[in-house]
Amino acid sequence: DQQVKQNSPSLSVQEGRISILNCDYTNSMFDYFLWYKKYPAEGPTFLISISSIKDKNEDGRFTVFLNKSAKHLSLHIVPSQPGDSAVYFCAAPDYNTDKLIFGTGTRLQVFP
Amino acid sequence: NAGVTQTPKFQVLKTGQSMTLQCAQDMNHEYMSWYRQDPGMGLRLIHYSVGAGITDQGEVPNGYNVSRSTTEDFPLRLLSAAPSQTSVYFCASGVGGGKKQFFGPGTRLTVL
Repeated sequence: DQQVKQNSPSLSVQEGRISILNCDYTNSMFDYFLWYKKYPAEGPTFLISISSIKDKNEDGRFTVFLNKSAKHLSLHIVPSQPGDSAVYFCAAPDYNTDKLIFGTGTRLQVFP
Repeated sequence: NAGVTQTPKFQVLKTGQSMTLQCAQDMNHEYMSWYRQDPGMGLRLIHYSVGAGITDQGEVPNGYNVSRSTTEDFPLRLLSAAPSQTSVYFCASGVGGGKKQFFGPGTRLTVL
């Protein structure tokens, strides 16, 4: 049972436009969410996080929005740049099991 | 600070062979974990450890063993390699399972 879901395996966006990556979760006990970015042949790197006490967190071009009632979060990248082309994973910690649960990832391609 | 290091970067095994993937971190993190990444499957947790001498199973532990004799090292052992274990393996560490994880660069394993 996938507790964290990323239903779009890929997304293609033109440079300068907004990229919106979506993530849904099923466990209402999740209260903290993280986004990781992964380039080919490298390990994932932490990008941005959000606590459930907030509905938005911003860091430069990256903003994460959380809708707790819909159990949905999204990562907005504005403006998108070719260097943003990577796989993006959302993740949530399950405190009961002390595990970090990852989604299946969305491959973002930003073209000129 | 080297962060999380993994060796080897690449490995080819024959079915039935055994080997150990090495992972070390120099951040004094108590929590360490192993993930495998397969196309369309995201990052799946194999085993994790909340401190020296303590290990536990993740989602996909079969065919793998771990031990944690020191805070720094968390090797992953393949007992008898199978083609289904062809994957990219990532080691990660953090201050806790519910916290931000730092990933190593990965080991790409092919089992023939």
